Amino acid sequence: DMQLTQSPSFLSASVGDRVTITCRASQVISSYLAWYQQKPGKAPKLLIDVASTLQSGVPSRFSGSGSGTEFTLTISSLQPEDFATYYCQQVDTYPWTFGQGTKVEIK
Amino acid sequence: QVQLVQSGAAVTKPGSSVKVSCKSSGGDFFSYGISWVRQAPGQGLEWMGSLTPVFHKVNYPQDFQGRVTITADKSTTTVYMELSSLRSGDTAVYYCARERDGFDVWGQGTLVTVSS
Repeated sequence: DMQLTQSPSFLSASVGDRVTITCRASQVISSYLAWYQQKPGKAPKLLIDVASTLQSGVPSRFSGSGSGTEFTLTISSLQPEDFATYYCQQVDTYPWTFGQGTKVEIK
Repeated sequence: QVQLVQSGAAVTKPGSSVKVSCKSSGGDFFSYGISWVRQAPGQGLEWMGSLTPVFHKVNYPQDFQGRVTITADKSTTTVYMELSSLRSGDTAVYYCARERDGFDVWGQGTLVTVSS
């Protein structure tokens, strides 16, 4: 199975900070990499698919990039509503797999 | 606007089975697959399998092979996930989600508690 490893697992940041989360795959992915945001007690929300396609309604401060085995999610200026847990997911090869998550907390 | 509405919380005993439903409305039920994802308390997301309604094609990860069954009722545009031989480690929130290039629409989640 394809493993996805996110780093860091935990991130403490301030409002206005630029934040980058990395997702490394154990095999090459053909860009079918998605990013989700999850807040406590809620279902995950799709932010980005196909590595860099921002979903409708998602603020432009979120961006995704990468190819091959290394992908990144960047929040250009962290806002109070962005404190949450973020997951990457590959939908390139069955079984679909998720990264372990990155929790973004307020410094 | 596609919506996925799941059945309510369930409490079950070890060794039993649970069946969770996911009703789709507002879109073309046959166009996309539906996946099931679970999240144990305080843990991450775990993909349990998917079904493409139009083809009745299912995919299950090895970890759930033989224990999970995903089916669809086209007449009611509902997808079901049944998990058998339940154990305490199966206590989790179970989500259904529509597959496109990512999972773009999610159900509200169903808490399944396995307890004697």
